[in-house]
Amino acid sequence: QLQLQESGPGLVKPSETLSLTCTVSGGSISSSSYYWGWIRQPPGKGPEWIGSISYSGSTYYNPSLKSRVTISVDTSKNQFSLKLSSVTAADTVVYYCARQHRFGELSFWGNYMDVWGKGTTVTVSS
Amino acid sequence: DIQMTQSPSSLSASVGDRVTITCRASQSISTYLNWYQQKPGKAPKLLIYAASSLQSGVPSRFSGSGSGTDFTLTISSLQPEDFATYYCQQSYSTPWPFGQGTKVEFK
Repeated sequence: QLQLQESGPGLVKPSETLSLTCTVSGGSISSSSYYWGWIRQPPGKGPEWIGSISYSGSTYYNPSLKSRVTISVDTSKNQFSLKLSSVTAADTVVYYCARQHRFGELSFWGNYMDVWGKGTTVTVSS
Repeated sequence: DIQMTQSPSSLSASVGDRVTITCRASQSISTYLNWYQQKPGKAPKLLIYAASSLQSGVPSRFSGSGSGTDFTLTISSLQPEDFATYYCQQSYSTPWPFGQGTKVEFK
């Protein structure tokens, strides 16, 4: 059974870079059927998609965060990672990684997030 | 960007009730609409994808319908484990936003 697990520092200083890794177990990250995404959720609010990556390295980013976000993939380790730069207190939220199942045509496709990690809380504070 | 609006934001219901949650997109998204359930302290769980397809392992009391801009999640007979917050999400175009959520509470 596929499982995803987020890891990384739970505390980051303001203006520094938040770095998280998602380790995929029970299956391979190397499939064209999936993208691998990062999502975050402030307390009491709906989730916010941050960005996604394919196993080949193709990326999509949320325009609201794009200038600060980098997502990368390491197929040899079955992992993908998130870097969010210049963090502020507003980035103190729960971060999730998830598998995004693609469907439809190559030129236009939809997706749904069918496997999620348990989430990790990151606090931005000095 | 496409905006997703859910209604109501919360509702009170009893075990056995039929519950309907609505999600409206600010422009047509065909059937690129997903529904998730989230319990406190847990990750969201996929219930419905592509507007009406039931995710494997999800009870058949959950169903989804709609296309274009208006969508509905229905729970045919509310069970104790269904008290949670429900989110819609569109996958028609990035940034693939979620709705603000509907909290289903015990009456």
